[in-house]
Amino acid sequence: SQQGEEDPQALSIQEGENATMNCSYKTSINNLQWYRQNSGRGLVHLILIRSNEREKHSGRLRVTLDTSKKSSSLLITASRAADTASYFCAPRQYNNAGNMLTFGGGTRLMVKP
Amino acid sequence: NAGVTQTPKFRVLKTGQSMTLLCAQDMNHEYMYWYRQDPGMGLRLIHYSVGEGTTAKGEVPDGYNVSRLKKQNFLLGLESAAPSQTSVYFCASSEAGGPSDTQYFGPGTRLTVL
Repeated sequence: SQQGEEDPQALSIQEGENATMNCSYKTSINNLQWYRQNSGRGLVHLILIRSNEREKHSGRLRVTLDTSKKSSSLLITASRAADTASYFCAPRQYNNAGNMLTFGGGTRLMVKP
Repeated sequence: NAGVTQTPKFRVLKTGQSMTLLCAQDMNHEYMYWYRQDPGMGLRLIHYSVGEGTTAKGEVPDGYNVSRLKKQNFLLGLESAAPSQTSVYFCASSEAGGPSDTQYFGPGTRLTVL
């Protein structure tokens, strides 16, 4: 299975600081997605980066992708208490007929006010 | 649009009992998925469906069955519940090979098997 592994497992920062989470995967991908999960809720899609893209922005989110290193990073700038959540990366392989995603254990981010 | 809904939200079963979890989506998505999430872990795919009348096994299918009789509904069944199936179950849906390739998740069902 194409499982992303997030690092670190947990991250605690002060409001206003930047948060960086990393994801590593094993084989070639079509795209890589990042999702957020607030406590007790379902996952919410944040951003998708395709294999031919190196960087993508969405609001305070910045995602990078290095296919040579099989890694991605998610940067949240100027963090807020509301960003407290778990963040998961989900690499999607080529020839994946079911559009299946596999998720790692996530990074638990705590933003202190 | 309600998006993806799941019923029930909570359930407690005794070992050996059976139950069905219902997932419904109103986005006309072709693909639907059932995941389980155990404490402190990511999601693991149980079964999925690429269209009405079709289902396929995911990473952890044992002990579960599914049916997709209608495009908008995806049912997950536990025929004989075991304590190891205590988990939070999430349903998701996505377009068929759409450019966004995004999965939309329901709020989850928290199941406890005693």
